[in-house]
Amino acid sequence: AQSVTQPDIHITVSEGASLELRCNYSYGATPYLFWYVQSPGQGLQLLLKYFSGDTLVQGIKGFEAEFKRSQSSFNLRKPSVHWSDAAEYFCAVGKNAGNMLTFGGGTRLMVKP
Amino acid sequence: EAGVTQSPTHLIKTRGQQATLRCSPISGHTSVYWYQQALGLGLQFLLWYDEGEERNRGNFPPRFSGRQFPNYSSELNVNALELEDSALYLCASSTHLASGQETQYFGPGTRLLVL
Repeated sequence: AQSVTQPDIHITVSEGASLELRCNYSYGATPYLFWYVQSPGQGLQLLLKYFSGDTLVQGIKGFEAEFKRSQSSFNLRKPSVHWSDAAEYFCAVGKNAGNMLTFGGGTRLMVKP
Repeated sequence: EAGVTQSPTHLIKTRGQQATLRCSPISGHTSVYWYQQALGLGLQFLLWYDEGEERNRGNFPPRFSGRQFPNYSSELNVNALELEDSALYLCASSTHLASGQETQYFGPGTRLLVL
């Protein structure tokens, strides 16, 4: 069965600092990988996705993520965090028989002024 | 282009009642997915509909059911509500591609509170 682990439940960074959110997955083949962001009380917004090809993918709002097959990781990065980035971030893996997404537990990001 | 819409935004029911949640997909999308986001349990897959048929369901009891209409909108029905059904219910839609390279786009959710 596929699974996704986000080791950090909470992360606090200062505004302007760089950010890396970790995501590790377990899957038998090359998965499809996604990062979503959820603001309080809201739905999920897609930040970026990886299907194949270039392992460094660019997303919206200045985010990027790198697929590392050897480490089974798909970490999300941003060079300079803005206060509006405070939210909960979810990593997800897809591409199984049921088309469902399996989500990690989420990382809540707080941004200090 | 309009995104995925869900109604109602909030729903309050009492234990034992039935709840009906609605979802309209992005125009051109034929697949609709339902997820439950309950406190402490994370995001869990409930149901997947495509072209009017239930294609897959997650590990939920049969009192969670739904359907997809000819216009690809969908309903999620929860019968015999229990307190632990209180959660944010998220609907997502996607195209259905042979390649499997689909992206799910989510709606704002319906928050269900069971008293």
